[in-house]
Amino acid sequence: AQSVAQPEDQVNVAEGNPLTVKCTYSVSGNPYLFWYVQYPNRGLQFLLKYITGDNLVKGSYGFEAEFNKSQTSFHLKKPSALVSDSALYFCAVRGLGGTPLVFGKGTRLSVTA
Amino acid sequence: DAGVIQSPRHEVTEMGQEVTLRCKPISGHDYLFWYRQTMMRGLELLIYFNNNVPIDDSGMPEDRFSAKMPNASFSTLKIQPSEPRDSAVYFCASRRSGGRDEQYFGPGTRLTVT
Repeated sequence: AQSVAQPEDQVNVAEGNPLTVKCTYSVSGNPYLFWYVQYPNRGLQFLLKYITGDNLVKGSYGFEAEFNKSQTSFHLKKPSALVSDSALYFCAVRGLGGTPLVFGKGTRLSVTA
Repeated sequence: DAGVIQSPRHEVTEMGQEVTLRCKPISGHDYLFWYRQTMMRGLELLIYFNNNVPIDDSGMPEDRFSAKMPNASFSTLKIQPSEPRDSAVYFCASRRSGGRDEQYFGPGTRLTVT
C-alpha cells in the first residue's frame, strides 16, 4: 500500500528566509509525487509534481521540490519565503495504475514578517 | 475551463435531514473523486469513479452516505439522514486518465449539521 508522511504539523519561517516542508513516501514501483497548497476556505491547488526525469522539480509561485529516491523523500522548498505563502501544504503520492492520490496529513506553514 | 464546480458552497441543515452535494468535473476528465476534510481526520477519500462507474467506495463511512455519477458531467454525494458528526468540508476532484496527471479540486462544500 502507498503512504505519505509529513512529519511536521507546523513550520514557522521568517519572511525572506528559505523554507522546507518535508515529505517521505512509501509506494511499490516508481512513484508519482505531488504537492498541493490550500489557502483558508479554498480547495486544494496543485503546485508541482514529479513523474520522471530531473530530481529537482519547479512549480508555481517559486516553489520547487527535490526527489530523493534513496531517502524516499520529496521535500518542498522555496529560497525566500513570503507572508502570502502561509497556508496548509499537502504532499501526495500515486503508485501504479489509476489509483487515487494518497495524501499526507498536511503541514501548516506560517511565514511572519 | 471553469474548473471543478461544486454546489452549494455552504449548507446548514438539521440532524436527520437529507443533504445532497453536487459536483461538475472538468470536461474531458474521466476520473472523479469525493473527499471529506475535518480537523480531526484530515483529508479522507470517500469514493471515486472512472467513466461514471464507482471503482472504490471503501471510504464511505456508513450506509447513510451514497454517491452517484449518472453522466460524465455530474455527480452527487448524498447523506441521509445527516448527523452532526458529518459536519465537514466535502471536496470533489477530477482528472484525466493516465497516472501522470494531477487531480483538480473544486472549492468544496462546507456542511454544518446542527
